[in-house]
Amino acid sequence: AQSVTQLGSHVSVSEGALVLLRCNYSSSVPPYLFWYVQYPNQGLQLLLKYTTGATLVKGINGFEAEFKKSETSFHLTKPSAHMSDAAEYFCAVRGYGNFNKFYFGSGTKLNVKP
Amino acid sequence: DAGVTQSPTHLIKTRGQQVTLRCSPKSGHDTVSWYQQALGQGPQFIFQYYEEEERQRGNFPDRFSGHQFPNYSSELNVNALLLGDSALYLCASRQNSNTEAFFGQGTRLTVV
Repeated sequence: AQSVTQLGSHVSVSEGALVLLRCNYSSSVPPYLFWYVQYPNQGLQLLLKYTTGATLVKGINGFEAEFKKSETSFHLTKPSAHMSDAAEYFCAVRGYGNFNKFYFGSGTKLNVKP
Repeated sequence: DAGVTQSPTHLIKTRGQQVTLRCSPKSGHDTVSWYQQALGQGPQFIFQYYEEEERQRGNFPDRFSGHQFPNYSSELNVNALLLGDSALYLCASRQNSNTEAFFGQGTRLTVV
């Protein structure tokens, strides 16, 4: 079975500071990994994904994440937070195969202070 | 491209009633999944449809059922609504051969 753990349900940073959102997964085989962002009363928007190849993945809005197999982690970072980054972020895993489902973490709400 | 569209956006139902939620996938997508997102939680997988058949199902009771139509659109039906069914219901679509899923805005269901 697969599962996702997001450390910290709430993270608060100052505008311009580094953003680090943590995600660890458990899976019997290296899965596909995703970060989604959800703004209030909205659906989920894909930030970035890891499937194969380079372990450092760049996404939209300046976000990036690094797949570390040895640590079973896929932490999300952004060098400089912007007020518009305030939202909830979800890490998700999905196994290989056409019909495999997404497993989501419980989410991390990012607050950006002026 | 309109992306994934869901209707209605909000819905209030009474316990014991039945509800139908609708989803139109992104153009070119043939696989539709439904997720339930309770307040303060991550989305939980309900089921997935491809070629008009349910391909996978999560840990949800039989009160939750679905359908996929030849044009790939989908419906989620919930019977005998419980207060605990109150949640945001998300539809996700993708091309079966692709890893990436696109989500709709969701339907906010409130059961009173």
